[in-house]
Amino acid sequence: EVQLVESGGGLVQPGGSLRLSCAASGFTFKNCWMSWIRQTPGKGLEWVAHISQEGSYIYYVDSVKGRFTISRDNAKNSLYLQMNSLRAEDSAVYYCASWGEAVTWGQGTLVTVSS
Amino acid sequence: DVMMTQSPLSLPVTLGQPASISCRSSQSLVNSDGNTYLNWFQQRPGQSPRRLIYEVSKRDSGVPDRFSGSGSGTDFTLKISRVEAEDVGVYYCMQSSLWPHTFGQGTKLEIK
Repeated sequence: EVQLVESGGGLVQPGGSLRLSCAASGFTFKNCWMSWIRQTPGKGLEWVAHISQEGSYIYYVDSVKGRFTISRDNAKNSLYLQMNSLRAEDSAVYYCASWGEAVTWGQGTLVTVSS
Repeated sequence: DVMMTQSPLSLPVTLGQPASISCRSSQSLVNSDGNTYLNWFQQRPGQSPRRLIYEVSKRDSGVPDRFSGSGSGTDFTLKISRVEAEDVGVYYCMQSSLWPHTFGQGTKLEIK
């Protein structure tokens, strides 16, 4: 079964950091582009970051550039999102998603930035 | 950024009747490779989004053939030929021709 499982979300104060992880199974992870996408009731769905199969190409939405870092470990079938200098507007459900050979989304992990 | 505008935002439909959702982009989605990367997603209540359609009109594996996509350039449509109860949810268009990839606001389909 193709599956993505996110972890690492939680409550963090403004200015703080969190590291999200996404564990992939059921498909050839190293063959897929991977993404982090977030969802809020107010802003809807927003693509946060995107990384190519070997990590050679990385894209970020402007609002997170310089604060978030996407990375992957193909040996561990895992995707990561390091989030620093968090703001209230970063509060959202964060999904990891795969593209190409397998197109699927995880169940999401909730990030709440609040004092 | 490419703005994706969906209409209607709310779509009450009688079971067995057809449904149609429009999506317009603020610029052409024809990629430099000649392809148009317009996708449709379904998000059922309490679930993650699931892709139904990619490259305007190609159905993903397991998607019922009552779902179809069409369009070109900046105007796209998702049609459901006969709505079933399991189709309730929010539908999003999404362009992946240009970075950043962007989503429409979503269309909530409900049963009358």
